[in-house]
Amino acid sequence: AQSVTQLDSQVPVFEEAPVELRCNYSSSVSVYLFWYVQYPNQGLQLLLKYLSGSTLVKGINGFEAEFNKSQTSFHLRKPSVHISDTAEYFCAGFSGGYNKLIFGAGTRLAVHP
Amino acid sequence: GAVVSQHPSRVICKSGTSVKIECRSLDFQATTMFWYRQFPKKSLMLMATSNEGSKATYEQGVEKDKFLINHASLTLSTLTVTSAHPEDSSFYICSAGQGAKNIQYFGAGTRLSVL
Repeated sequence: AQSVTQLDSQVPVFEEAPVELRCNYSSSVSVYLFWYVQYPNQGLQLLLKYLSGSTLVKGINGFEAEFNKSQTSFHLRKPSVHISDTAEYFCAGFSGGYNKLIFGAGTRLAVHP
Repeated sequence: GAVVSQHPSRVICKSGTSVKIECRSLDFQATTMFWYRQFPKKSLMLMATSNEGSKATYEQGVEKDKFLINHASLTLSTLTVTSAHPEDSSFYICSAGQGAKNIQYFGAGTRLSVL
């Protein structure tokens, strides 16, 4: 089955601490992978994407992700989080070409002072 | 770049009325646009894929006569919720695909409340 799995529904972390949000994809999902962020009552904003090339992808707001084909993972990381990073984060991948995104269930990142 | 505008951001309507939501790509042309529905604390559920100049492709279980989609130009798609009922209350989000790989950029969403 085509799936994108986010292993943690919630991740609490203190401000200025590092964070990793985990994402695994099934082998039937194409290796075009994305991380989006959603702030309350907002749409989704593209953080970063992996299409090809370097497996370490840098995005906006200091986030980066590493594509790992052998582990079918695309974990999102930030070395030092801010209160303003509190949001819902979605990992996604294409399914069956470029016309359908499969989303993970989302991870709620809660940054505490 | 890659800005998608969605309007209105919030709408409250009476049961039985119809509501139209607009999705515009402001700085790029989008052959394909997508409409999603999001339930509280849940991920996005794809409702339909909208292609410019042709009929939309609906996902299984989505009533095409209830959720009318029109993609009249390369920068505008509309979703009309016809004869809305309280169970249609939800957060609706559109996205527009940019480039050959259809990278999706999202609108800010529309909160629909049907009384």
